[in-house]
Amino acid sequence: QVQLQESGPGLVKPSETLSLTCTVSGGSISSYYWSWIRQPAGKGLEWIGRIYTSGSTNYNPSLKSRVTMSVDTSKNQFSLKLSSVTAADTAVYYCARGDILTGFIDPWGQGTLVTVSS
Amino acid sequence: QSALTQPASVSGSPGQSITISCTGTSSDVGGYNYVSWYQQHPGKAPKLMIYDVSNRPSGVSNRFSGSKSGNTASLTISGLQAEDEADYYCSSYTSSMLVFGGGTKLTVL
Repeated sequence: QVQLQESGPGLVKPSETLSLTCTVSGGSISSYYWSWIRQPAGKGLEWIGRIYTSGSTNYNPSLKSRVTMSVDTSKNQFSLKLSSVTAADTAVYYCARGDILTGFIDPWGQGTLVTVSS
Repeated sequence: QSALTQPASVSGSPGQSITISCTGTSSDVGGYNYVSWYQQHPGKAPKLMIYDVSNRPSGVSNRFSGSKSGNTASLTISGLQAEDEADYYCSSYTSSMLVFGGGTKLTVL
């Protein structure tokens, strides 16, 4: 079955850009939405955005000015960049697959903790 | 886009049934039959339990069921078991994005 694995730095300095990559294995990256969701410690889930394999994107309006997503179908990977980070961006970041019609999220990656600190 | 509203906590005894509500607006929960529910155990990634209001993915127990009325969706867990103790999140599609509820902590007494 499809599995997802996040990778990237676990520590990012304030005002810098957070960069994460998600590698998809066990299936093709084509014909699905690929999403990023984050969760600050002890808090709820926040949808960051999604990208289709064509490169079409949808972002959470609250983060839109700082978010860029991209996809590399040749590597079965998609990526997240979040600029001008602050301590409020410290969270576990999950990559996940989204249904193309109704948007439900399944499966999820295991998540990766990103801490914003100097 | 505001988060969907869920109770912070619910509890029940083994064998009982509980229901978690998820209230949105006509722009999200009420406007689409695209509500999903996720179970999250501590330190683990969320797991899809219900999609499109009332559909169960393969492998999810039939003790879990979903429904919707107007702007409120509900997750019901029957025959409560200790392993059901977890956080539960609802989500709805809206205007080319997803919105999550704040989460509900289920305690099995």
